[in-house]
Amino acid sequence: KAGVTQTPRYLIKTRGQQVTLSCSPISGHRSVSWYQQTPGQGLQFLFEYFSETQRNKGNFPGRFSGRQFSNSRSEMNVSTLELGDSALYLCASSSREFSGYTFGSGTRLTVV
Amino acid sequence: DAKTTQPTSMDCAEGRAANLPCNHSTISGNEYVYWYRQIHSQGPQYIIHGLKNNETNEMASLIITEDRKSSTLILPHATLRDTAVYYCIHNPNSGNTGKLIFGQGTTLQVKP
Repeated sequence: KAGVTQTPRYLIKTRGQQVTLSCSPISGHRSVSWYQQTPGQGLQFLFEYFSETQRNKGNFPGRFSGRQFSNSRSEMNVSTLELGDSALYLCASSSREFSGYTFGSGTRLTVV
Repeated sequence: DAKTTQPTSMDCAEGRAANLPCNHSTISGNEYVYWYRQIHSQGPQYIIHGLKNNETNEMASLIITEDRKSSTLILPHATLRDTAVYYCIHNPNSGNTGKLIFGQGTTLQVKP
């Protein structure tokens, strides 16, 4: 069974630009969550989607948004990038049958 | 938000059991205790979870105190590949909500 796939693995963007990150969950998993990891703040929850609906949201500004498609694939978008958005962005998926969450390897975003 | 307390770091000799404690005194009756670990620059990996009873799987054992306010993750025969940051989280399992609140975790260093 393929794991959670995140693309791209690495990304370099300039301040003020926007970026879209992609996450393909494990086949059959309908819940997809996004996390930001930085050295200073650790792992922080961004949002969760289930059946194309946002089910939970963390404390991030409106520049951070996401969506989920009918095939459960998810994207997150960050607009007007700031230097502080440099981080490892992780996606996790889950199913009703498995109580844990499977994480992808993440997208390393560097804003210059 | 759910909070857990873990020691910042621990050392363990290779081949010995590693016992990682976690305090979750604010846990609610319906919340499970989850353990994840993160090896450098990878996504967190699910290890084990439990509600009341002790649990064991191929990776580890989880001992939960009777009052459920603390737990211990046991890696029975630690190897160098177990060097990682270990996170203890409590989270309601109902509906598989994806909002995991990570603390700073315990950095386990397994030494030869």
